[in-house]
Amino acid sequence: AQTVTQSQPEMSVQEAETVTLSCTYDTSESDYYLFWYKQPPSRQMILVIRQEAYKQQNATENRFSVNFQKAAKSFSLKISDSQLGDAAMYFCAYKRRYSTLTFGKGTMLLVSP
Amino acid sequence: DGGITQSPKYLFRKEGQNVTLSCEQNLNHDAMYWYRQDPGQGLRLIYYSQIVNDFQKGDIAEGYSVSREKKESFPLTVTSAQKNPTAFYLCASSTDGQGETQYFGPGTRLLVL
Repeated sequence: AQTVTQSQPEMSVQEAETVTLSCTYDTSESDYYLFWYKQPPSRQMILVIRQEAYKQQNATENRFSVNFQKAAKSFSLKISDSQLGDAAMYFCAYKRRYSTLTFGKGTMLLVSP
Repeated sequence: DGGITQSPKYLFRKEGQNVTLSCEQNLNHDAMYWYRQDPGQGLRLIYYSQIVNDFQKGDIAEGYSVSREKKESFPLTVTSAQKNPTAFYLCASSTDGQGETQYFGPGTRLLVL
């Protein structure tokens, strides 16, 4: 079974600074997808970024970017110019084609002024 | 506006009672999912459906039932057989069940009286 590990239960960052959230996963597949979701206090899950494993280029979405290391099975999320609104629980998730999402346990991101 | 709606926002269940959580989407998505979230945990899959009139058990289906009579609707029933139903329940949908991104509703908080 696939597993997703987020080793940082909590991270802190100051406004305007950069923070990186870690995620590793275990799989024997070569065709899969990786996601980062954000869950703010409202508890709605919001997609932050998505990466297809066959793509070598790291995905970016405005201030959010990933460092995808396929051989190391690592998928970290970098948030640049952090804002107070970035404070949330962040979940890493893995999905292989024709299968279902597997989530990590999450990293709580605290942002201070 | 296109999106996923869940109702009610809060639901209280008495001992021995079945309760049904509603999930509706107007995104014309084929696939729909139900997840359970407990404190300190990631999301765990209860049931999913990739097409009308068909659904599959997820990792924690015991004590739950679903139906998929219409493309836009995927209600979840928490039966009396579910001994620990207190949790946050999230519904999601995707274009198909392959690699497409899942989009989430706002969730339902279920509490046992």
